[in-house]
Amino acid sequence: DAGVIQSPRHEVTEMGQEVTLRCKPISGHNSLFWYRQTMMRGLELLIYFNNNVPIDDSGMPEDRFSAKMPNASFSTLKIQPSEPRDSAVYFCASKRGGASDTEAFFGQGTRLTVV
Amino acid sequence: GEDVEQSLFLSVREGDSSVINCTYTDSSSTYLYWYKQEPGAGLQLLTYIFSNMDMKQDQRLTVLLNKKDKHLSLRIADTQTGDSAIYFCAERGSGTDKLIFGTGTRLQVFP
Repeated sequence: DAGVIQSPRHEVTEMGQEVTLRCKPISGHNSLFWYRQTMMRGLELLIYFNNNVPIDDSGMPEDRFSAKMPNASFSTLKIQPSEPRDSAVYFCASKRGGASDTEAFFGQGTRLTVV
Repeated sequence: GEDVEQSLFLSVREGDSSVINCTYTDSSSTYLYWYKQEPGAGLQLLTYIFSNMDMKQDQRLTVLLNKKDKHLSLRIADTQTGDSAIYFCAERGSGTDKLIFGTGTRLQVFP
């Protein structure tokens, strides 16, 4: 398996534009997580899905952020409109569900710069 | 809510031991993890410990868990320059797949 695949790797956009980040989880994994990493706040959980259903979106900063998982092999994180303070590295991770399964696998991240 | 805290920086000399500390607040944590992030990369799982254990050893890595004080540590023996990275502590509560991460500790190993 190729691991968790995120695209794009880098995105530079102007303030006010819509940004869509994409994630393909590892096949067979039924939990998917979106994290945001900044110097100031570290790694924050934005939202996570289980079996394509959003379970906890309490970390989504505001209504400008939305995430979808239309099927088991694809998820998007959208920011509309984007602002400079959204600049960060966004990570997607996936894992098999279940109490005994331990490891979440991370993608390489998308570095977003909003100017 | 859940909170995980770590110190931000640690600097050690090559060959010495490194100890990275972490505290957490969720008393229902079932698993606690250490992840490593190298520059420009995602996070990779180093090791984990189940909450009913107090120690786990894996080659150069030793994890100690004090559940009463909600304190987790990672000891790296014979630290090498290749160990320079950011180390994240994370916890997973009971009945959930949600992982809460600390801020990460940047380990710098100098010759």
